[in-house]
Amino acid sequence: AQTVTQSQPEMSVQEAETVTLSCTYDTSENNYYLFWYKQPPSRQMILVIRQEAYKQQNATENRFSVNFQKAAKSFSLKISDSQLGDTAMYFCAFDFGNNDMRFGAGTRLTVKP
Amino acid sequence: GAGVSQSPSNKVTEKGKDVELRCDPISGHTALYWYRQSLGQGLEFLIYFQGNSAPDKSGLPSDRFSAERTGGSVSTLTIQRTQQEDSAVYLCASSLAGANYGYTFGSGTRLTVV
Repeated sequence: AQTVTQSQPEMSVQEAETVTLSCTYDTSENNYYLFWYKQPPSRQMILVIRQEAYKQQNATENRFSVNFQKAAKSFSLKISDSQLGDTAMYFCAFDFGNNDMRFGAGTRLTVKP
Repeated sequence: GAGVSQSPSNKVTEKGKDVELRCDPISGHTALYWYRQSLGQGLEFLIYFQGNSAPDKSGLPSDRFSAERTGGSVSTLTIQRTQQEDSAVYLCASSLAGANYGYTFGSGTRLTVV
């Protein structure tokens, strides 16, 4: 079965500090695409970062970076220099092909001033 | 348009009534998806449209749910004889020919069945 697991329902971090959100998945596929989405209280899902499974280099977008470990089937998101505006639900997602994108249950992140 | 537009933003309906939710995707995006998000939960896939191909309806929870996409653009999700368990946020997303580059989501419709 192709599943996505986010084991941290809630996390908090002090403003300006670093936080890492965990995500693991299970698949027998070799090539796929991985994503982290942010959902603020406005409800709109925003694409934060994208990783291609066949690329060994970890993706980075400004303060957001991933630690992709293919053998361990792990895909964590690191947020550096956390800002109040980073407070949101964060979902990891996988496109396993055939337009089958699976989402984790989400992690609610609160950035404290 | 500049983004994915969904209407209405909020809808309250009485149990047993039919509702229609609308999604206007980004111009040129051939793929369109509907998801359901119950309170505090993740996203549940409902249906997927790609161009003129037959839609993937595998996620629709019952035959009370249906969706269509006219002219390869605007999509309407219809829920007949609504039940309280249908209360959720319904999210629409579009993308260029599949999910490889990620989706662009709308702001969703919050449906409350009373």
